[in-house]
Amino acid sequence: GQSLEQPSEVTAVEGAIVQINCTYQTSGFYGLSWYQQHDGGAPTFLSYNALDGLEETGRFSSFLSRSDSYGYLLLQELQMKDSASYFCAVREGQAGTALIFGKGTTLSVSS
Amino acid sequence: DTGVSQDPRHKITKRGQNVTFRCDPISEHNRLYWYRQTLGQGPEFLTYFQNEAQLEKSRLLSDRFSAERPKGSFSTLEIQRTEQGDSAMYLCATAATGSLGYTFGSGTRLTVV
Repeated sequence: GQSLEQPSEVTAVEGAIVQINCTYQTSGFYGLSWYQQHDGGAPTFLSYNALDGLEETGRFSSFLSRSDSYGYLLLQELQMKDSASYFCAVREGQAGTALIFGKGTTLSVSS
Repeated sequence: DTGVSQDPRHKITKRGQNVTFRCDPISEHNRLYWYRQTLGQGPEFLTYFQNEAQLEKSRLLSDRFSAERPKGSFSTLEIQRTEQGDSAMYLCATAATGSLGYTFGSGTRLTVV
């Protein structure tokens, strides 16, 4: 079967750095994605890693290790608006195949 | 282009009734996905269209659920004989060929009473 594991909750203060881990077990692997979802909002795309290594986009970075079936999302210089749920998602098949999402990590940023 | 549009935003229905939701994708997006999300969970895949062809369907999907995308543009998701367990947010996501990520609509919140 398929499974994605990520912590259910993470808390941090403004200005801090937080790392949200994701481990996956899937029948196929064609990339790891991260999505952000604010309460009552739609998920929005943050990043995609198909190859090992770190991808940086502004304050957010995402890392993948295919040999460890592991990735993480790194959020730097946290702001209150970063309080949201963060989902890792895996594509098991080639282009177009649907993403399988984890249960999400709720990040709470306090002042 | 106003993004992915879903209608209605909210739907309350009695158990046993049929409901239909609509998704209008971003115009150049040929891929369209339906997901269901309950509180505290990630989106759960239901079905996928590339243009008008339904290419993938979740094995968990009850035969009470059916989806169409007749002209490769908008899509509808119908649930027949609704049950309380169908209460959830139904999300539509679309993508263009080669896109790295999906664009999600704001969803239709279904409540079955």
